[in-house]
Amino acid sequence: EAVLTQSPGTLSLSPGERATLSCRASQSVLKNYLAWYQQKPGQAPRLLIYAASNRATGIPDRFSGSGSGTDFTLTISRLEPEDFAVYYCQQYGNSRNTFGQGTKLEIK
Amino acid sequence: EVQLVESGGGLVQPGGSLRLSCAVSGFTVSNSFMSWVRQAPGKGLEWVSVIYSGGVTYYADSVKGRFTVSRDNSKNTMYLQMNSLRAEDTALYYCAVDGGGDWGQGTMVTVSS
Repeated sequence: EAVLTQSPGTLSLSPGERATLSCRASQSVLKNYLAWYQQKPGQAPRLLIYAASNRATGIPDRFSGSGSGTDFTLTISRLEPEDFAVYYCQQYGNSRNTFGQGTKLEIK
Repeated sequence: EVQLVESGGGLVQPGGSLRLSCAVSGFTVSNSFMSWVRQAPGKGLEWVSVIYSGGVTYYADSVKGRFTVSRDNSKNTMYLQMNSLRAEDTALYYCAVDGGGDWGQGTMVTVSS
C-alpha cells in the first residue's frame, strides 16, 4: 500500500500569508487520485481537492492543489482566520486507500 | 440532499462484536464506492475498508479478518460488522463516499472492560 508522508507536521503562519503543504507517496498514486481534506475540532473532514488539482464544490479559489505521481502540494494563497485547522491528504487510486498523518496549520 | 447517517456505536468489551450502519439518502449506495474511515481520539484519519459498486471489498491490514463490510441495496445502507474487537479499535467511525466529499458525522466505538 502507498504510505503518504505529510510535511511539515505543524505550520505556524499569520492570516494573509501563503501556506504550502506537502504530501509525498511511497509509490506512484494511480490516476493521481489524491484528495485533500480540512478538519476542524469536532467536525467531519471536509473535501477541498480531489484528483490532485480539482476543487470540490463550494471551496474558495484560494485553495489549490498540484502535483502528480508521488509528490503533491496543497496551497492556500492568502490565509483566512477560518483556514487554521488540520489538513490530510488521501490517496484513493489504490484499492487500499491511505491517509497522510496530517499537517496542523496554526496561527502564529 | 445527500445525507449519510452512521449508527450502532457504543461501549463493548474486548473480544466483543458490534455492527455499524450507514444509512444513505440522496444517492444510491450500490452505484457508489463507499468507505469506512476511523479516527482514534486525538489521532489522525485511518482508512478501514471499502466496498465497490460491483461488491468487491478491501480492508486495512489492521482489521482484515475481523471486520466485514456489506450493504443492503433495498435499504440503501452500508454496514460494518466488527468482531474480535480490541482496545485499539476505539475510535469515531465515519462512512464516506470513497475519495469524495460526502461524509457522515460518525459513530463512536469504545472497546474497554
